Amino acid sequence: GQQLNQSPQSMFIQEGEDVSMNCTSSSIFNTWLWYKQDPGEGPVLLIALYKAGELTSNGRLTAQFGITRKDSFLNISASIPSDVGIYFCAGRTTGANSKLTFGKGITLSVRP
Amino acid sequence: EAQVTQNPRYLITVTGKKLTVTCSQNMNHEYMSWYRQDPGLGLRQIYYSMNVEVTDKGDVPEGYKVSRKEKRNFPLILESPSPNQTSLYFCASSPNGLAGWTGELFFGEGSRLTVL
Repeated sequence: GQQLNQSPQSMFIQEGEDVSMNCTSSSIFNTWLWYKQDPGEGPVLLIALYKAGELTSNGRLTAQFGITRKDSFLNISASIPSDVGIYFCAGRTTGANSKLTFGKGITLSVRP
Repeated sequence: EAQVTQNPRYLITVTGKKLTVTCSQNMNHEYMSWYRQDPGLGLRQIYYSMNVEVTDKGDVPEGYKVSRKEKRNFPLILESPSPNQTSLYFCASSPNGLAGWTGELFFGEGSRLTVL
């Protein structure tokens, strides 16, 4: 089946640093989404990308839909302590059996 | 307030004792889904529903049942729970079903289930 690869499993950064996360797959997706899960809560949608090459920002977050449609990245600039959490990428296929596949997530820790 | 509500939030039960985790959304969403989250495995889909009376298996449906008799509710049923179903469960909903599902999900706060 389709798989999304997110690595490493954990990242540790200093407050104020920028961080970049990649999500790759051997399959093509028509939509890429990035979700964040705060400790003890459900995931929340950060950014959705619908077109190959699309670059979208949401505050300090920037995400891009790869040209090959097999990858996406998320950048967080000037990290702050509340950026701590698990970041999931997700890819969606279209058609009669439209399906959303999640990556395993990256746990981000921010040192003050 | 727009939300997805799950109950119970925490449950400890014993092997074989049937249980139901309820999920309700107040956003008139067509699509609803159940996921389980386990360490190192991320979010795995159990069942989903594109609309009322339409349900389908996700990636890990074994040991679970669902029903979608009303648009707002999508209960998850464990007929005979086993320890390998100990997990954190999330219900999610999305505005569009068969026509134009975008993959944008609104998640509940989660239900932590322990099966002894």
